[in-house]
Amino acid sequence: GAVVSQHPSWVICKSGTSVKIECRSLDFQATTMFWYRQFPKQSLMLMATSNEGSKATYEQGVEKDKFLINHASLTLSTLTVTSAHPEDSSFYICSAYRAGIEQFFGPGTRLTVL
Amino acid sequence: QKEVEQDPGPLSVPEGAIVSLNCTYSNSAFQYFMWYRQYSRKGPELLMYTYSSGNKEDGRFTAQVDKSSKYISLFIRDSQPSDSATYLCAMRTKTSYDKVIFGPGTSLSVIP
Repeated sequence: GAVVSQHPSWVICKSGTSVKIECRSLDFQATTMFWYRQFPKQSLMLMATSNEGSKATYEQGVEKDKFLINHASLTLSTLTVTSAHPEDSSFYICSAYRAGIEQFFGPGTRLTVL
Repeated sequence: QKEVEQDPGPLSVPEGAIVSLNCTYSNSAFQYFMWYRQYSRKGPELLMYTYSSGNKEDGRFTAQVDKSSKYISLFIRDSQPSDSATYLCAMRTKTSYDKVIFGPGTSLSVIP
């Protein structure tokens, strides 16, 4: 099966700092990756679609200057939470699309902003 | 009406029971249907993937799609404690691979 990794798995930061989360497809090339946010006991909320070599497409209500997405290669997408605040604390999950086999998800990154 | 609805549970069953998880949807254009399993504090794992109507079996898991009723199901036979997780249904239209709609998830506990 396809493997998607995320790093770090857990991060604690102070309010006002920026945090970068990496998403990698380990055994296939992903032209499209997705970033989701999930609050406790709630479903996945799509934040943005990341396409290799082009600007990310953000969902309505998601601040693109707050959540910077870069998809520099076919196996790596990064999400940077800029000037993080406690309300940004959440579980962030990426997925990579593999044609014909749908999305494969990473293990998630738990962000806690103090 | 939400696009995809799913009973949130929690659902608690004894080990060995047959579990039925269900989703209903409103968009008749949906043609691809998926079931994901998510353990606590982990990313979702793709369990089953079906196209259009019909049944698909994989080990103890059977996915069923009834497009006429806009209803999909996941059956788990001989449930095990390791099946305890949240199960998310997901679906999309034929061309919109980037617009997958997820259900809210059903929390399942299998009691030894």
